[in-house]
Amino acid sequence: QLQLQESGPGLVKPSETLSLTCTVSGDSMSSSSYFWGWIRQPPGEGLEYIGSIYYSGSTFYNSSLKSRVTISIATSKNQFSLKLSSVTAADTAVYYCARHSGSSSGNRWFDPWGQGTLVTVSS
Amino acid sequence: QSVLTQPPSVSGAPGQRVTISCTGSSSNIGAGYDVHWYQQLPGTAPKLLISESTNRPSGVPDRFSGSKSGTSASLAITGLQAEDEADYYCQSYDSGLSAYVFGTGTKVTVL
Repeated sequence: QLQLQESGPGLVKPSETLSLTCTVSGDSMSSSSYFWGWIRQPPGEGLEYIGSIYYSGSTFYNSSLKSRVTISIATSKNQFSLKLSSVTAADTAVYYCARHSGSSSGNRWFDPWGQGTLVTVSS
Repeated sequence: QSVLTQPPSVSGAPGQRVTISCTGSSSNIGAGYDVHWYQQLPGTAPKLLISESTNRPSGVPDRFSGSKSGTSASLAITGLQAEDEADYYCQSYDSGLSAYVFGTGTKVTVL
C-alpha cells in the first residue's frame, strides 16, 4: 500500500525559505511513471495546488507561486522535496504531498495523500 | 479566489440524498477537463472520492456518484450517513491559469 509522509520544520521565519520533504513508501518512485505533487491548506480555508514533479525530474508549478517554488526529486531515496522562498504569514498552512495520477496533463488527480504537516510563518 | 464555485454547505437527514455542485467555466470544466472529488473528514487529509468525473476508486461506497455537464459537475451522496459529515472539494484543471484548481469546498452536515 502506497504511503506518503511529509517532514520538515514546523516554524519558519518571515523572508526565509520553507523546506519540506515527502517520503514515499510501498512503491519505488523510479519505476513508476507518476507525477508527485504538493498542495497546501491555510487554517480554516480551502486547498491550493503548489506544483508537481515527474519521476524524470520535469516540473509543473502553479503560476501564482512559480517565482518562489522549487520542487526536486531523489528517486534513489524515494523522496521529493518542496522549497518555498521569501515566505510571509500568508504561507502559513498545512502542506500535503500526494501522488499526482492521470492519463493526460489536464486530467490528473491526487491520490493518495500524506497526512499533512503544519508550517507556521512567524518571527 | 477559486475558479470552481461550490455551495458553502449542504445538509440532510440520515438516509436522504444530497448533491454538491461545482460550477466552473469555459477554461476548466467547460473545456472538457475532468472533475475529481475529495472528502476531507475533520482533522484529516483529503481522500479521493471520485476520479475522472464519474469513477469511484476501490473502497469508495457506491452511495457516492459523480456527474459532469457543460461547465458544471455534481457529487451525489445517497443514503446519507453520519460518517459522511465532512468537507468535500472538487478539482479540475484550468487552461487560463495553467494550474490544477480546487473548488471552494462544501461542508456536509448530517442532521
